[in-house]
Amino acid sequence: DAGVTQSPTHLIKTRGQQVTLRCSPKSGHDTVSWYQQALGQGPQFIFQYYEEEERQRGNFPDRFSGHQFPNYSSELNVNALLLGDSALYLCASSFYRREAYEQYFGPGTRLTVT
Amino acid sequence: AQSVTQLGSHVSVSEGALVLLRCNYSSSVPPYLFWYVQYPNQGLQLLLKYTSAATLVKGINGFEAEFKKSETSFHLTKPSAHMSDAAEYFCAVSDLISSGSARQLTFGSGTQLTVLP
Repeated sequence: DAGVTQSPTHLIKTRGQQVTLRCSPKSGHDTVSWYQQALGQGPQFIFQYYEEEERQRGNFPDRFSGHQFPNYSSELNVNALLLGDSALYLCASSFYRREAYEQYFGPGTRLTVT
Repeated sequence: AQSVTQLGSHVSVSEGALVLLRCNYSSSVPPYLFWYVQYPNQGLQLLLKYTSAATLVKGINGFEAEFKKSETSFHLTKPSAHMSDAAEYFCAVSDLISSGSARQLTFGSGTQLTVLP
């Protein structure tokens, strides 16, 4: 049973550029959440996707956008990159129902903005 | 809004000693609480969870945590530390999305555990 997978593993971009990160959820899961983990900090919730719609959003600017595909995989897009966007981006998958407590995390994508 | 405070950003213990990592939460409703572990350059692995059943929760790798409502705490313990326990540990509280269905996690700032030989 494949767990949550993310690509690429590492990425280096220049300020002002755009980036797309990808996530495939754990088999059977229908919901994908994205988190940003800056160095030395805990992960912060960016947004969550279910049924190809953004269901909830954390305190992140509109430069951060996402998409979910019919196979439940997801993309995170960040436009106009800033140095402060350098972080580990984590994808987590789960079931979209209140009884489903657990989120399973992927290994993350390390984004460096220079 | 719910929040989590982890006391002590760095904890060092000797191999074989007791591990105690502290977590306090703030919640207006009965919370669901989690401990995750993160090894260098890896994602998060769930250690254990509290979902309103037994207040003493046992997890993987010999870890356990006790939910104490009166103290709003959910401290993580392990009787005997092993070198392989060296990692960063995160406490998290689960919020219900406003639609009432799926959840988002609010994390503490983490505690780096060092195990000394």
